[in-house]
Amino acid sequence: GAVVSQHPSRVICKSGTSVKIECRSLDFQATTMFWYRQFPKQSLMLMATSNEGSKATYEQGVEKDKFLINHASLTLSTLTVTSAHPEDSSFYICLGTGGKTEAFFGQGTRLTVV
Amino acid sequence: GIQVEQSPPDLILQEGANSTLRCNFSDSVNNLQWFHQNPWGQLINLFYIPSGTKQNGRLSATTVATERYSLLYISSSQTTDSGVYFCAVDTSGSRLTFGEGTQLTVNP
Repeated sequence: GAVVSQHPSRVICKSGTSVKIECRSLDFQATTMFWYRQFPKQSLMLMATSNEGSKATYEQGVEKDKFLINHASLTLSTLTVTSAHPEDSSFYICLGTGGKTEAFFGQGTRLTVV
Repeated sequence: GIQVEQSPPDLILQEGANSTLRCNFSDSVNNLQWFHQNPWGQLINLFYIPSGTKQNGRLSATTVATERYSLLYISSSQTTDSGVYFCAVDTSGSRLTFGEGTQLTVNP
């Protein structure tokens, strides 16, 4: 199947700093990238949807100034958690799709803010 | 929006047993996928199955789109099958909506 490469897999950062997470589609063009957040023992919560070359659409309750999403090319989307705080600690994962077809997850990033 | 319900929420099996996981959805879909999340968090595509039946080794899935449900069958379960199984559906090609998942534990 297709591959979405997500980095880093784990990151520990100090409160107040920013963290960038990258997702690259390696063998297909991800016209749409979804960004999810998952708390322990819970399902995936959609944060935002980004389409290549356009602004991301954020779900209700998600701060767009805190979670900056860029989808500058068909193979790269990034999520930047700005001024991170301990409550932002979570598992973040991207899901790429080329349209009305099968979608593929990145490996996920476990963020710990101390 | 579309509602996705998975059952059972938790399932404990002995190695070698068979199981059936169910996913009900509230509207017509053009995409349905089953995923397995392993204990390390990685989500693996199992099936892309908006309709019909597919098999891959010990796993198979059936989606009856007209009745709005999908089933995931696991035969001869192994400890490595443990994890959370998610069903996700899409109605318009714009987003996948996930169920709450089934937590499967396979004991040796």
